[in-house]
Amino acid sequence: EVQLVESGGGLVQPGGSLRLSCDASGFVFSSFSMHWVRQAPGKGLEYVSGISSNGGTTNYANSVKGRFSISREKSKSTVYLQMGGLRLEDTAVYFCARDPHRLLGPGGYFDLWGRGTLVSVSS
Amino acid sequence: DIQMTQSPSSLSASVGDRVTITCQASQDIFKYLNWYQQKPGKVPKLLIYDVSNLATGVPSRFSGSGSGTQFTFTISSLQPEDFAVYYCQQSDNLPTPTFGGGTKVEIK
Repeated sequence: EVQLVESGGGLVQPGGSLRLSCDASGFVFSSFSMHWVRQAPGKGLEYVSGISSNGGTTNYANSVKGRFSISREKSKSTVYLQMGGLRLEDTAVYFCARDPHRLLGPGGYFDLWGRGTLVSVSS
Repeated sequence: DIQMTQSPSSLSASVGDRVTITCQASQDIFKYLNWYQQKPGKVPKLLIYDVSNLATGVPSRFSGSGSGTQFTFTISSLQPEDFAVYYCQQSDNLPTPTFGGGTKVEIK
């Protein structure tokens, strides 16, 4: 089955760290760029970060730049989001999403989404 | 960053109605505009990519048009399963993709 499964969410204090994982299966992981998109409770979708198919290029939303880091591991078909310096406003469901384009650039879209993992930042 | 403005933020419509949602970009994004549907408690689903291309398995009652900074998403005949929130998303990047605020389509 073609799917993405996120894990690693939980409750963390402001300033804390968390690493999210997204396990891919059912498709050739190395052929797709991968992304993280988040959704705060009752709010809309917000792009977080992306990584090209070979891991050579990454991008970040301004709201997380310098605090979050995306990576991928081909042997495990897994993409990670290392989150640090967490803030209250980072509270959200974090979705992993697949983009059929290998590169990060114009024309990308998200054709497969995971069910998400909830990150709650609270003291 | 490119800002995406969707309108309306919500609308009420009846089954069978024609529904139109607009999305305006803060700068020219050429043809790099996608649309997603999200039902309550569910994962977003890609409906249309590159302005007007239907994603696999998406019914033909959904369509998209536009170019540059003005884009339109249409449901030709609203069905009960179409009540959801719809998001536009620009993929011209500069520096990253961004989503519109969403349009909630409710039952009248």
